[in-house]
Amino acid sequence: ETGVTQTPRHLVMGMTNKKSLKCEQHLGHNAMYWYKQSAKKPLELMFVYNFKEQTENNSVPSRFSPECPNSSHLFLHLHTLQPEDSALYLCASSQVGGSLQETQYFGPGTRLLVL
Amino acid sequence: SQELEQSPQSLIVQEGKNLTINCTSSKTLYGLYWYKQKYGEGLIFLMMLQKGGEEKSHEKITAKLDEKKQQSSLHITASQPSHAGIYLCGADNPGNTPLVFGKGTRLSVIA
Repeated sequence: ETGVTQTPRHLVMGMTNKKSLKCEQHLGHNAMYWYKQSAKKPLELMFVYNFKEQTENNSVPSRFSPECPNSSHLFLHLHTLQPEDSALYLCASSQVGGSLQETQYFGPGTRLLVL
Repeated sequence: SQELEQSPQSLIVQEGKNLTINCTSSKTLYGLYWYKQKYGEGLIFLMMLQKGGEEKSHEKITAKLDEKKQQSSLHITASQPSHAGIYLCGADNPGNTPLVFGKGTRLSVIA
């Protein structure tokens, strides 16, 4: 399997549920990202991991909890979400090392609906 | 912080027609990425431009970078239904970690 994969592709959850999104990259990259895409808004960067260390957390509510156990896997743990958290969640990976980063490659996304 | 404005927001063209999408940056462009997204799916990398005046082509899609105007344009020649989707531009510059994206241009191609 190649590229960036995400599971599940679709998820419906209640506000009291706990669920996790999974992302796996098969490109040998050293950085991984979580983005949120809502209707009529630009892609919103949520978290960045470089070499398994979290380097950015763009004021994301604590009900979203990322985990990066190794450079190939990235999780987004969800708990007590709100309906406004319904969106497409995209994972991406890239190779970083110079002043400009390399191309980011994206997974297919997880469409999340919070009821 | 850097912002990218894409125009138009949406576009409907007849199959076979040419079209252009623009991406204008509020700051100097050092690296500009173009992605295509099918509705509700992930982003597919199209091409990256780094130098002023650079132009790249992939099949019937051509992108240019105008450093002076802080703008990039994406041109599709003889559009086909397979070109339909959302086109997003992303900008990179020293200090950006990682990319800043525009809101996207939604393209529909009708037969």
